[in-house]
Amino acid sequence: GQQVMQIPQYQHVQEGEDFTTYCNSSTTLSNIQWYKQRPGGHPVFLIQLVKSGEVKKQKRLTFQFGEAKKNSSLHITATQTTDVGTYFCAGPINGAGSYQLTFGKGTKLSVIP
Amino acid sequence: GAVVSQHPSRVICKSGTSVKIECRSLDFQATTMFWYRQFPKQSLMLMATSNEGSKATYEQGVEKDKFLINHASLTLSTLTVTSAHPEDSSFYICSASYRGLAGLMATYEQYFGPGTRLTVT
Repeated sequence: GQQVMQIPQYQHVQEGEDFTTYCNSSTTLSNIQWYKQRPGGHPVFLIQLVKSGEVKKQKRLTFQFGEAKKNSSLHITATQTTDVGTYFCAGPINGAGSYQLTFGKGTKLSVIP
Repeated sequence: GAVVSQHPSRVICKSGTSVKIECRSLDFQATTMFWYRQFPKQSLMLMATSNEGSKATYEQGVEKDKFLINHASLTLSTLTVTSAHPEDSSFYICSASYRGLAGLMATYEQYFGPGTRLTVT
């Protein structure tokens, strides 16, 4: 079945440093979604990318969707302690219009003040 | 908008008893809801897909008779863990699917409830 792989599994950064997590799918995705889960909390929807090569920004967060729609990245500029958490990417299991998502294993970000 | 509640947030029960967890979409109608299980430091494992008015679809390896799902309305789905055992102890999270549009393509974002921490003693 379709797999969504995410690297790295863990990342420790000094506050103010940048952070990037990468997501790769075994198949072409109609869209990719990113979620953030704070320690002890639940996943929160961040953004969805649909178009090939799409780039979206949310303040210090930059999301990219690859040209082949099989990979994606999330980049955080100048991390802050509020960025701590696990970031998951997810894609539709059964192609376009599917409502089921396959989640990557997540990247756990720790920020050292 | 797109708020999902889950109740209870934490429950401790004795082995052999049953526990019901409720998931509600508060400000939108969710035709489809999902139930996940999450082990410590691990990703979300999809257990089942719950559709309003029909039987849930369970993922491979998930026991239907143990994890009973009922989706009685467009805003409520329930998960009942029957005859719970210590190995059922976990963090259970529901999500509700929100249908959006990206051009002509339907897209489905998921909004998660706060989760239920189940401990079976």
